[in-house]
Amino acid sequence: KAGVTQTPRYLIKTRGQQVTLSCSPISGHRSVSWYQQTPGQGLQFLFEYFSETQRNKGNFPGRFSGRQFSNSRSEMNVSTLELGDSALYLCASSLEGVGSPLHFGNGTRLTVT
Amino acid sequence: QKEVEQDPGPLSVPEGAIVSLNCTYSNSAFQYFMWYRQYSRKGPELLMYTYSSGNKEDGRFTAQVDKSSKYISLFIRDSQPSDSATYLCAMSSPDSNYQLIWGAGTKLIIKP
Repeated sequence: KAGVTQTPRYLIKTRGQQVTLSCSPISGHRSVSWYQQTPGQGLQFLFEYFSETQRNKGNFPGRFSGRQFSNSRSEMNVSTLELGDSALYLCASSLEGVGSPLHFGNGTRLTVT
Repeated sequence: QKEVEQDPGPLSVPEGAIVSLNCTYSNSAFQYFMWYRQYSRKGPELLMYTYSSGNKEDGRFTAQVDKSSKYISLFIRDSQPSDSATYLCAMSSPDSNYQLIWGAGTKLIIKP
């Protein structure tokens, strides 16, 4: 089975721009979660989608948004980028989400200059 | 105080040693406990997944959960240089809708 695929692997953007990251989950997985990982803060939960509906949300500003499509693929959007948004953005999928183990992609490394 | 505490290390041990990695937690409602391994420039990879308390073994890896002490451990036997990575613990409970709460990760270095 193919793993979780995230594109692109690397991105460099300028402050004020917006960015869209993409995630294809493992086939059959209906839950997709997004995380931000930085050296100082570790893994921080952004949001989780299940069957195209946002089921859980972390404590991030509204500039961070996401969506899930009918084929379970998901996108995450960050608008009005700030320098502090530089991080590794990780997508993880699971069968049901609740209590199920997460399977991560290799992330998108976003650098904001 | 964080819900999940994990020493960031680094922890450096010689090849072949038994490694013990630990996390402590404060929420007695945690039910699911996981260990992930993360190599540099990669996403976390699930190593062990346990429900409630007890031990689970998979090859060179053993996960232990002690709910009375609110303490979980991951043991690595016959450690190899390829085990050098950051190890993250995570756990979830029904009162947080099973959202994973993560430790900060312990950086492990196995010296040849």
